[in-house]
Amino acid sequence: DAKTTQPPSMDCAEGRAANLPCNHSTISGNEYVYWYRQIHSQGPQYIIHGLKNNETNEMASLIITEDRKSSTLILPHATLRDTAVYYCIAMGFSGNTPLVFGKGTRLSVIA
Amino acid sequence: DTAVSQTPKYLVTQMGNDKSIKCEQNLGHDTMYWYKQDSKKFLKIMFSYNNKELIINETVPNRFSPKSPDKAHLNLHINSLELGDSAVYFCASSQPDREAFFGQGTRLTVV
Repeated sequence: DAKTTQPPSMDCAEGRAANLPCNHSTISGNEYVYWYRQIHSQGPQYIIHGLKNNETNEMASLIITEDRKSSTLILPHATLRDTAVYYCIAMGFSGNTPLVFGKGTRLSVIA
Repeated sequence: DTAVSQTPKYLVTQMGNDKSIKCEQNLGHDTMYWYKQDSKKFLKIMFSYNNKELIINETVPNRFSPKSPDKAHLNLHINSLELGDSAVYFCASSQPDREAFFGQGTRLTVV
């Protein structure tokens, strides 16, 4: 699975959009980009994933560059409850591949 | 209904003891995992089971023995507990190559 690089921490004002970047320059054609988050003391929570096209669900939007070497997770209106560590994972499908977590980005939403 | 549930949530025990952590999922998933999150907050895969069969065993001491009585359960037995085993242990489940769902974690403290 491709290595991903994320900033260690970011701040965002409450109510504003939080844009979390992720670099995955060695991603291969069959690897998806997954985003999870871990709110303090809780288990990781799936947010969204995508292959080539931009994706949106009730939690967030995922923008993947055309060359697929980077992506951005967007939380459109961040709230204090979005404060968490966000993990970007590039993962191919091979049956039962477990998630491999990096260090992630610690997002602090500030009132 | 809790999708992936772990018991106990907290476990404090003395060095040398043997303990078990239970995990149950009601999602009908074929694959279950155990992860360890240490004091530095790194999440590492320990084991992966598919349909009650072990498919991934990372470099985990053989004092750790997962047991899957059926597809919905994956329990973790730990023998001869050591101080370094103190961590938060997360159980997760998924269908092959789909997003994973995590339990709320078991905080193990060895004293």
